[in-house]
Amino acid sequence: EAAVTQSPRSKVAVTGGKVTLSCHQTNNHDYMYWYRQDTGHGLRLIHYSYVADSTEKGDIPDGYKASRPSQENFSLILELASLSQTAVYFCASSEDRGRGNTLYFGEGSRLIVV
Amino acid sequence: QQKVQQSPESLTVSEGAMASLNCTFSDGTSNNFRWYRQHSAKGLEVLVSIFSDGEKEEGRFTAHLNRANLHVSLHIREPQPSDSAVYLCAVSSGGNYKPTFGKGTSLVVHP
Repeated sequence: EAAVTQSPRSKVAVTGGKVTLSCHQTNNHDYMYWYRQDTGHGLRLIHYSYVADSTEKGDIPDGYKASRPSQENFSLILELASLSQTAVYFCASSEDRGRGNTLYFGEGSRLIVV
Repeated sequence: QQKVQQSPESLTVSEGAMASLNCTFSDGTSNNFRWYRQHSAKGLEVLVSIFSDGEKEEGRFTAHLNRANLHVSLHIREPQPSDSAVYLCAVSSGGNYKPTFGKGTSLVVHP
């Protein structure tokens, strides 16, 4: 069964601090994604990657960096956390099926910035 | 940029009654549509995928697609309290591997 695990599952960070959210998948998928979910906005794409050592900007990349050191791992980095980055973050993976793709999600990381 | 809108925002049905959820999209070249379910504080799981006009059934879940009307719907037959969750519509087109999600419909199924 597809498996995407995120860590930490919950974190409280201080404004201006650095936060790293990690994601690990055992699906052997090429594509990985980071979304954030907020009330009233739904899921919005931050960064994604289709191959190791390469990342692409999504729809709301400002304030976030991403790193894909291997096929299995994809990290989201907040260099200077801000209050507006309080949200639930989801990592997902998918394979290239040539007909769009089903995303397999982790269980989310709840980030509170104070 | 693709816009995906879902209605209603929330829906309450009784156990056993049909639940119908709607999703409209703006990009007429879209050809990949999926419905996901999200239980409280959990990740999303895919329910049904549809790629051409008509319907696609996966157990109690049926998706209907009408690309000319920019509309895709999800019908849940005999919903159960365990189906209470947020349902999200995801739309993408061709080789675009970045699906756009709607904001979701919150479904509550009463026993």
